[in-house]
Amino acid sequence: EAGVAQSPRYKIIEKRQSVAFWCNPISGHATLYWYQQILGQGPKLLIQFQNNGVVDDSQLPKDRFSAERLKGVDSTLKIQPAKLEDSAVYLCASSGTSGGRETQYFGPGTRLLVL
Amino acid sequence: QKEVEQNSGPLSVPEGAIASLNCTYSDRGSQSFFWYRQYSGKSPELIMFIYSNGDKEDGRFTAQLNKASQYVSLLIRDSQPSDSATYLCAVKDSSGSARQLTFGSGTQLTVLP
Repeated sequence: EAGVAQSPRYKIIEKRQSVAFWCNPISGHATLYWYQQILGQGPKLLIQFQNNGVVDDSQLPKDRFSAERLKGVDSTLKIQPAKLEDSAVYLCASSGTSGGRETQYFGPGTRLLVL
Repeated sequence: QKEVEQNSGPLSVPEGAIASLNCTYSDRGSQSFFWYRQYSGKSPELIMFIYSNGDKEDGRFTAQLNKASQYVSLLIRDSQPSDSATYLCAVKDSSGSARQLTFGSGTQLTVLP
C-alpha cells in the first residue's frame, strides 16, 4: 500500500512570497490533515478534511493560510504572504482503520524556510 | 485548552537498558493514546497505540496507560542505538467526530553504544 505523498520536499522562499504544498493521501482514506511542526515542537493541527469538507480549521491562520481538497482526494495548502515564523515542516496525514481503530499515517513532509 | 506534556529530554540510556518515556494529558475524557517515533529530518511513524488501562506489549515496546492519573508511558526494553529518535505522545480528542490528535513536544532519546 502506497503511503501519503507530499511535494515539494523542500522549499526556500523570501518573506511576503507565496508558496503551495501538495498532498496525496493513502488510497481510500477519507480524512486528511495538515500539520505544522516547528523545530523542537510536536505537530500542530492546521486543518482537517473529511472527504472534501472542512471538519476543523480553528488553528489555521486564515489571513494568510488556505487549504482545499476539491475532489475529496488530493489537497493543497497555500501560504500567502509568508512570514519568517512560517518556517517549519508541513506534514500531511491521512487516517484509516487499523486493528479496528482509526490511525493516522504521515507523509514525508515539506520543509519550508522563509528568509 | 487540551495539553499533552512530555519531558523534552534529552534522555540518554546505555545500549541494552530500558528506556522509560512519560506523558501526561489534561483532557480527562481522552480515549485513545498513541506513541510516534520521529527520526531527525523524518516524519512521525506510529509505533504503539493503547486504549485501555494497563499495559500493551509489542515486541520490545510496552505502552502503559493510567486514565485515573492521566498518564501514559512507553517502555523500550533492550534499547538499541537505532532507537535513538524523538518520541511523540499523542492523545485523541474525545469530543464529537473530529478525531483529532494533540501532540506533546516529544522526548529526545539517545541510546549510547
